[in-house]
Amino acid sequence: DARVTQTPRHKVTEMGQEVTMRCQPILGHNTVFWYRQTMMQGLELLAYFRNRAPLDDSGMPKDRFSAEMPDATLATLKIQPSEPRDSAVYFCASGLQANYGYTFGSGTRLTVV
Amino acid sequence: AQTVTQSQPEMSVQEAETVTLSCTYDTSESDYYLFWYKQPPSRQMILVIRQEAYKQQNATENRFSVNFQKAAKSFSLKISDSQLGDAAMYFCAYCRGNQFYFGTGTSLTVIP
Repeated sequence: DARVTQTPRHKVTEMGQEVTMRCQPILGHNTVFWYRQTMMQGLELLAYFRNRAPLDDSGMPKDRFSAEMPDATLATLKIQPSEPRDSAVYFCASGLQANYGYTFGSGTRLTVV
Repeated sequence: AQTVTQSQPEMSVQEAETVTLSCTYDTSESDYYLFWYKQPPSRQMILVIRQEAYKQQNATENRFSVNFQKAAKSFSLKISDSQLGDAAMYFCAYCRGNQFYFGTGTSLTVIP
């Protein structure tokens, strides 16, 4: 089965440190999403790309978060500097068309202490 | 803004029985898609079933089926012959364009 691969699976870091999460979308998928999941807020859309171009990043705190797709096989989400409130599970998802649904990765559980 | 409401934070079902999870959504659009995703303890979000709003026929995938009531903006998930592996969080999602809006989830427990 084709999978969306996210690394690392777990990350513990100290406040103020830079964190980079990576996602390898399914080959051929042209739409990539980043979501954040917390108990309080549920699943929140942070950003999404189509054909590597950012289409919407309005859900992302711009001062510390950045999302990029340096090529079609890699999407990155970076937090600098990290804060304890950033602790969450970050999901990447990819797909072709919304009507088919999107395939999610297993997420990166980030803990900022 | 589109909102998705799952009014049942927790549900339980006896193994082999049937359970229905509720979902309502708010939209002024007529063309959209609806999904149910399952999130087991492994954390992986797994697509369970999808429904196109323009189709009146309810979607079915093996033991999973939906009751789609467009006028009522209701999209419930029925799980028949529940199995222990069905225990998970279930998220209802509304999609229009490329935007997904998720509900807050229902935690399903399957009792042996």
